[in-house]
Amino acid sequence: EPEVTQTPSHQVTQMGQEVILRCVPISNHLYFYWYRQILGQKVEFLVSFYNNEISEKSEIFDDQFSVERPDGSNFTLKIRSTKLEDSAMYFCASSVDRWGHEQYFGPGTRLTVT
Amino acid sequence: DAKTTQPPSMDCAEGRAANLPCNHSTISGNEYVYWYRQIHSQGPQYIIHGLKNNETNEMASLIITEDRKSSTLILPHATLRDTAVYYCIVRSGNNAGNMLTFGGGTRLMVKP
Repeated sequence: EPEVTQTPSHQVTQMGQEVILRCVPISNHLYFYWYRQILGQKVEFLVSFYNNEISEKSEIFDDQFSVERPDGSNFTLKIRSTKLEDSAMYFCASSVDRWGHEQYFGPGTRLTVT
Repeated sequence: DAKTTQPPSMDCAEGRAANLPCNHSTISGNEYVYWYRQIHSQGPQYIIHGLKNNETNEMASLIITEDRKSSTLILPHATLRDTAVYYCIVRSGNNAGNMLTFGGGTRLMVKP
């Protein structure tokens, strides 16, 4: 069964450093998403992406964040200058239909900022 | 998107049906009901969704009341692997960005 994959599974970085989290969505999906979950808190939407453009973004997704689909398979989330409060699980998701009814999530990348 | 209310936790005996309620009294006509679950620290998993008719798939059944103000997710024969946090989400079907807004969910504990 096709699945969303994410690398790395765990990333440790120092405050102020740039990180890139990588995702490979399901191959025939066209809509891509990033969510995050701070330990013990709710899953929060960050951004959605379609046709090489951001469709929607939350207040969390400020100028420090960017997304890119650099090739036909990868979807990346970059955090330009990490802060302690960026420590969280970051989940990538993808969906095939334009309504995003069924979003398939990856296993997540645990980002720890020290 | 309409707000949902779910009990914070529920227990269910293994092999029995798990019935998870969700209240969404302010739902509007074009809003769908979605259920996702999150097994400890894993990514959320899509279960089922519906607009007004009851729905069934290989994982679960979704029962939506006629007035659409509440719904119930039914796992017909719960197993220990169904222990998870279950999220009921209400969202417009033509939400431009397709974002999902997760609440606190119901923590379902399936016990042997």
